[in-house]
Amino acid sequence: DGGITQSPKYLFRKEGQNVTLSCEQNLNHDAMYWYRQDPGQGLRLIYYSQIVNDFQKGDIAEGYSVSREKKESFPLTVTSAQKNPTAFYLCASTIGQGHSPLHFGNGTRLTVT
Amino acid sequence: AQSVTQPDIHITVSEGASLELRCNYSYGATPYLFWYVQSPGQGLQLLLKYFSGDTLVQGIKGFEAEFKRSQSSFNLRKPSVHWSDAAEYFCAVGTSNTGNQFYFGTGTSLTVIP
Repeated sequence: DGGITQSPKYLFRKEGQNVTLSCEQNLNHDAMYWYRQDPGQGLRLIYYSQIVNDFQKGDIAEGYSVSREKKESFPLTVTSAQKNPTAFYLCASTIGQGHSPLHFGNGTRLTVT
Repeated sequence: AQSVTQPDIHITVSEGASLELRCNYSYGATPYLFWYVQSPGQGLQLLLKYFSGDTLVQGIKGFEAEFKRSQSSFNLRKPSVHWSDAAEYFCAVGTSNTGNQFYFGTGTSLTVIP
């Protein structure tokens, strides 16, 4: 079955360390997205990519970086510059047309201490 | 600017009762509208979507939503709630004129009382 795989489910890091969250999709979708979810704040867009080797900043890109070297993969790096990195991170993808819905992975919960 | 408002942070209903979750959007053109459901610690699952045609759309799990352009609303309804419907519900609007971006409401948490 096609879908989006995020790994790992839980991730623990010490403050000051960079950490990379994995997102892989086999839906043949062109567009991929990273959202951050905090209690009571809904989903906030970090980065998105409409095509391989191209990506745009979302509303809260500071302290994060991404790459899109392959259509199937859109890894997110949380750098030490992110002041409050502990959160639930969701990866999503879509065909790329406005009326096509987002498909979500099951998320990665990152805890930084 | 595009935005989505879910005015109810938390709703409690009895099992078997009807449910309506409110969603209002702000968008200049015809919006693409979605409702998603999220169980704790999981990703979001699409319940239904609207982008044209009949303003009453049917979704999975017995949910429906009605698009009302005059009220800029897209409320989610279910005639009879089941205990398994307890979850977080998100309304979203998609756009095609700003690079296929999606804007989400802050969510409504649903508690179902037996």
